Amino acid sequence: QKEVEQNSGPLSVPEGAIASLNCTYSDRGSQSFFWYRQYSGKSPELIMFIYSNGDKEDGRFTAQLNKASQYVSLLIRDSQPSDSATYLCAVDRGGADGLTFGKGTHLIIQP
Amino acid sequence: ETGVTQSPTHLIKTRGQQVTLRCSSQSGHNTVSWYQQALGQGPQFIFQYYREEENGRGNFPPRFSGLQFPNYSSELNVNALELDDSALYLCASSLDRDDWQFFGPGTRLTVL
Repeated sequence: QKEVEQNSGPLSVPEGAIASLNCTYSDRGSQSFFWYRQYSGKSPELIMFIYSNGDKEDGRFTAQLNKASQYVSLLIRDSQPSDSATYLCAVDRGGADGLTFGKGTHLIIQP
Repeated sequence: ETGVTQSPTHLIKTRGQQVTLRCSSQSGHNTVSWYQQALGQGPQFIFQYYREEENGRGNFPPRFSGLQFPNYSSELNVNALELDDSALYLCASSLDRDDWQFFGPGTRLTVL
């Protein structure tokens, strides 16, 4: 059974600091990795994707992938109160299985 | 905004009833995926439609069924509603089968 594990939190980070969110997955056939942000009562919003081992940076966000360790992370630099949300990690092995999501990590940025 | 729309926003049904949820995909997108998100959980894949054909299905019973129309909009039908069907139902649109998925605002279904 494919699983994606995330620490549910809440993860509390001071404003301006770096928030680090982690995710592990069980399916070694996973090919694509995504981070979605979900505000309370809203739908998930795609913020980062990564396909290859290493780091990928986009503005204040950096996604990191280590396929050997089956580990994905998201770093948020200069955290803002507006970053407070639940962050969902999702993996895709391709084909017709859809995305497999973790339960999400609740991030709180303290002003 | 992703350009994906869903209707209705909220819905209340009683156990045993049937429900139809609707989704309009983003312009140019030919693939629609449906997910169920229970409170405090991540979304779970129900099924995917590609060019009007079911392209894949998650671990949901046959009473969950769907359609995709020639304009690539889609419907999710749930028969014989159960209390555990209460959830946020999300539609995600993508340019093609293996492309990034963009979610609509969701439909909140409550089964009493």
